[in-house]
Amino acid sequence: GENVGLHLPTLSVQEGDNSIINCAYSNSASDYFIWYKQESGKGPQFIIDIRSNMDKRQGQRVTVLLNKTVKHLSLQIAATQPGDSAVYFCAVPTRDNYGQNFVFGPGTRLSVLP
Amino acid sequence: ETGVTQTPRHLVMGMTNKKSLKCEQHLGHNAMYWYKQSAKKPLELMFVYSLEERVENNSVPSRFSPECPNSSHLFLHLHTLQPEDSALYLCASSQDSNSNQPQHFGDGTRLSIL
Repeated sequence: GENVGLHLPTLSVQEGDNSIINCAYSNSASDYFIWYKQESGKGPQFIIDIRSNMDKRQGQRVTVLLNKTVKHLSLQIAATQPGDSAVYFCAVPTRDNYGQNFVFGPGTRLSVLP
Repeated sequence: ETGVTQTPRHLVMGMTNKKSLKCEQHLGHNAMYWYKQSAKKPLELMFVYSLEERVENNSVPSRFSPECPNSSHLFLHLHTLQPEDSALYLCASSQDSNSNQPQHFGDGTRLSIL
């Protein structure tokens, strides 16, 4: 099965700085990766995804980097704002007898300091 | 507006009560999911439904009973719960259960067992 973990459970950054959140996965055959943001009192919200045929994908102020060699995924947030304060976690698909499901990382809590 | 609506948002119940959680998705998706989110733990998949048929029961105790009457609605019937069942219960949907597509989550039901 797939194991997904994060390097840091919490991250504090100054407003305006860039944030980098990391995720490691175990299955070298994984071919799709998602980042979610979960604000307090809300459900996880899709931010960005990337397929294994890419090593970088950019969205609005966010960039996901994929290093398949070391099985590492990162989310970069440019010019971090107070509204970025949330828990961020990655999701990686895994297959079992029932089909495809996702394994979610434990999450990194991002705090933005004024 | 997430497209996935869960009710109630909060629920407090005794161990002998019977209650139901409701989820409705307005995205035209064919797969729906129940997850349990406990403090400081990754999301745990409970049930998967694809085209109204259950395709996975992830070793969930029988005191949790899902029901999917149609592709837009999903219920989780609760009875004789234990204090350790207190958690945030999240519903999600996706286009299907077998391809690389993100899941869209509701804001959850915060369940407290007295």
